[in-house]
Amino acid sequence: EVQLVESGGGVVRPGGSLRLSCAASGFTFDDYGMSWVRQAPGKGLEWVSGINWNGGSTGYADSVKGRFTISRDNAKNSLYLQMNSLRAEDTALYHCAREPYGGNSGGWFDPWGQGTLVTVSS
Amino acid sequence: SYVLTQPPSVSVAPGQTARITCGGNNIGSKSVHWYQQKPGQAPVLVVYDDSDRPSGIPERFSGSNSGNTATLTISRVEAGDEADYYCQVWDSSSDPVVFGGGTKLTVL
Repeated sequence: EVQLVESGGGVVRPGGSLRLSCAASGFTFDDYGMSWVRQAPGKGLEWVSGINWNGGSTGYADSVKGRFTISRDNAKNSLYLQMNSLRAEDTALYHCAREPYGGNSGGWFDPWGQGTLVTVSS
Repeated sequence: SYVLTQPPSVSVAPGQTARITCGGNNIGSKSVHWYQQKPGQAPVLVVYDDSDRPSGIPERFSGSNSGNTATLTISRVEAGDEADYYCQVWDSSSDPVVFGGGTKLTVL
């Protein structure tokens, strides 16, 4: 069974940092690009960042560029999101999701993990 | 950046057909993907590349895309179809992945 399980969320003060992880199983991880998508409480979906199969190409939403860094460890079948300089508006449920191709250059997201909650509050 | 516009809500009686639109400038030139999200659950892909269905998604779910509007059609609507639905495209702008604002489908 293809599965994505996020972890690392929590409560952090504005300006703080947090590192999210996504453990993948049930498929050949390094065949696929991966993305992080977040959802603020009661709001819609917002793409945050994506990475290609070998980590050589990454992309970020303007809202997080320069503050967040996506990475992956194919030997550990894991995806990461390092979040620095966190703001209240970063409060959301963060999902990792698999892309259909290796290149992080198009397509849909399937499947999605259940998400890990990040709360930025003083 | 590219903008996708969805109606906030759509209501339909059981057994009827629901149509959820996703508007965007020349969206017909892009591939549109649709997700269903039930309360407390992760999104689930229901249509990809405008009109293809992943395995396990009922044939009642279909999609079309032309001009400035893409449409998700749910035939013979059931109570279990009640959910939020999101459209999504990739774009060449600074934010390459764009989601619509979501449509809440209510089954009367």
